[in-house]
Amino acid sequence: GQQVMQIPQYQHVQEGEDFTTYCNSSTTLSNIQWYKQRPGGHPVFLIQLVKSGEVKKQKRLTFQFGEAKKNSSLHITATQTTDVGTYFCAPAAAGNKLTFGGGTRVLVKP
Amino acid sequence: EAQVTQNPRYLITVTGKKLTVTCSQNMNHEYMSWYRQDPGLGLRQIYYSMNVEVTDKGDVPEGYKVSRKEKRNFPLILESPSPNQTSLYFCASSLRELAGVSYEQYFGPGTRLTVT
Repeated sequence: GQQVMQIPQYQHVQEGEDFTTYCNSSTTLSNIQWYKQRPGGHPVFLIQLVKSGEVKKQKRLTFQFGEAKKNSSLHITATQTTDVGTYFCAPAAAGNKLTFGGGTRVLVKP
Repeated sequence: EAQVTQNPRYLITVTGKKLTVTCSQNMNHEYMSWYRQDPGLGLRQIYYSMNVEVTDKGDVPEGYKVSRKEKRNFPLILESPSPNQTSLYFCASSLRELAGVSYEQYFGPGTRLTVT
């Protein structure tokens, strides 16, 4: 499957600050999905990016797909305690097969 | 309510004792999949199914079996569990890919399995 590297692996954020997590691939991706998993929970779909250079926003979350479709990012502004969890990027290949990155675990300091 | 259910949620068993983890979805999804989640390794796909009677291996299929006799159910079978299969297991379902466009996957609550 398509391999992706997510960085950072861990992110400690002060409440109210912004942060960005990155998802990098050595190959061109057809599309990419992002999921959030709260502690003790299951992955929940956030968004799918398909087009080169695409940018999508969900309230304080901004998702971006690189121009070359080899990387993606998730930027969260004004972090809140509700943002705690692990964020996964997952390129989607033929047949709806997802290959999950290792995830970025986000901890928020109040 | 649209959902994916898994049973049991927690299971402690011994090496070699066959077990089945059930998965059911009520969204009429064609695609279903099993993942295992281990610390530091993320989510890895075990098996998936594109439709009834159509199953295929994912990235880590060794030691597992699946079947898809009905659209809504996709059980995961461990014929002879071993300690290295201790993990958190998730079932997921989605609409089938159409014209190169994938769809979001809906995950079950997870099954935490311990094999001693």
